[in-house]
Amino acid sequence: ILNVEQSPQSLHVQEGDSTNFTCSFPSSNFYALHWYRWETAKSPEALFVMTLNGDEKKKGRISATLNTKEGYSYLYIKGSQPEDSATYLCALFYNQGGKLIFGQGTELSVKP
Amino acid sequence: GAGVSQSPSNKVTEKGKDVELRCDPISGHTALYWYRQSLGQGLEFLIYFQGNSAPDKSGLPSDRFSAERTGGSVSTLTIQRTQQEDSAVYLCASSLRFTTSSRETQYFGPGTRLLVL
Repeated sequence: ILNVEQSPQSLHVQEGDSTNFTCSFPSSNFYALHWYRWETAKSPEALFVMTLNGDEKKKGRISATLNTKEGYSYLYIKGSQPEDSATYLCALFYNQGGKLIFGQGTELSVKP
Repeated sequence: GAGVSQSPSNKVTEKGKDVELRCDPISGHTALYWYRQSLGQGLEFLIYFQGNSAPDKSGLPSDRFSAERTGGSVSTLTIQRTQQEDSAVYLCASSLRFTTSSRETQYFGPGTRLLVL
């Protein structure tokens, strides 16, 4: 059974702090890694789809890196804002059955 | 354009009743996915459709769960004889197409919050 681990489980930071969290996954049979942002009472919002070892993606103040050989991805938020408060999910695309295998998420709270 | 929509947004039902959850994918998206998140758990994959076909139903938790998709568009997830452990948020997602390498982004709906009393 594939296991996708995210750490930390939750994070509380002050406005303006930069932060990062980790997604770990089995490095074999890698196809793609997806990052999502899920605000309470809203739909999960796609941030990045990453496929290549060494990939780096950026969207505004949020960026992500991928290391498929060692099986991890980092998500960075520069200068956190209260509106960044959400749960950040990573998901491994698993070819069999077309599944996205999600981690438990990192819940980020940014205080003004 | 319109995103993925789901209905109802909330559903409270009694144990033993049947429920139907509906998903309207983004127009033109051929692939559709169902997930659920139980309390304290991560998002769990249930089933996906390519067009109207569901190639793999092994993710459905029990034979009380079934799903169908008609006209390559709307999908319905049906839970028969609901149990308290079925209480969860049920999320639907769609993507333009399904590929085995899937770089395809999945676009999620807002979910249906199901509570079984």
